[in-house]
Amino acid sequence: SYVLTQPPSVSVAPGKTAKITCGGDNVGVKSMHWYQQQPGQAPVLIIYYDSDRPSGIPERFSGTNSGNTATLTISRVEAGDEADYYCQVWDTGSAHPVFGGGTKLTVL
Amino acid sequence: EVQLVESGGGLVLPGRSLRLSCAASGFNFDDFAMHWVRQAPGKGLEWVSGINWNSNTIYHADSVKGRFTISRDNAKKSLSLQMNNLRAEDTALYYCAKDRLRYFDWSFDYWGQGTLVTVSS
Repeated sequence: SYVLTQPPSVSVAPGKTAKITCGGDNVGVKSMHWYQQQPGQAPVLIIYYDSDRPSGIPERFSGTNSGNTATLTISRVEAGDEADYYCQVWDTGSAHPVFGGGTKLTVL
Repeated sequence: EVQLVESGGGLVLPGRSLRLSCAASGFNFDDFAMHWVRQAPGKGLEWVSGINWNSNTIYHADSVKGRFTISRDNAKKSLSLQMNNLRAEDTALYYCAKDRLRYFDWSFDYWGQGTLVTVSS
């Protein structure tokens, strides 16, 4: 089955830019979605179709997807951005959605 | 305001059954596909099952196929997950999640707070 690989953790100082990657075989041809899960909370969709933001999601959150890597970029990081982030695609092979293992973002 | 409220979780013996429910409000329930996604304690997200708006198309993850059945009642704005022959590895927080589209877009724009299922003797 299709595998999405994320780094377990990323650290960034407040006000800086965080980049969270999600790797997969030719992932650039798939539609990538990103979720934020704050401690003890349900996931929230923050990026869909590679780079679109649902209403209410700040412009500081952006996404790209090309080749074998998708990237979630968080600009001007705030303490409240500290959370787990998951990437997700639909796998044509299994006809099922697949999540990455998640990345814990720590704001220093 | 979209709300999804799960119920039905609890402690259950291996091999037994449990039925989860999700009450939806704040949107036209019969206009969207719906899903169950689970998260084992301290682990990542795992999609479990999905059903389109009129129940004509249903998908289950291989890990639950033949044991779990997803269903919906549009009149009651309710989503269900019948879980049979439960195993220890089914222990997780089960989320009800709304698809962005009537048919499967496979992105989940609203989630409930989850209901905890613990399978243990």
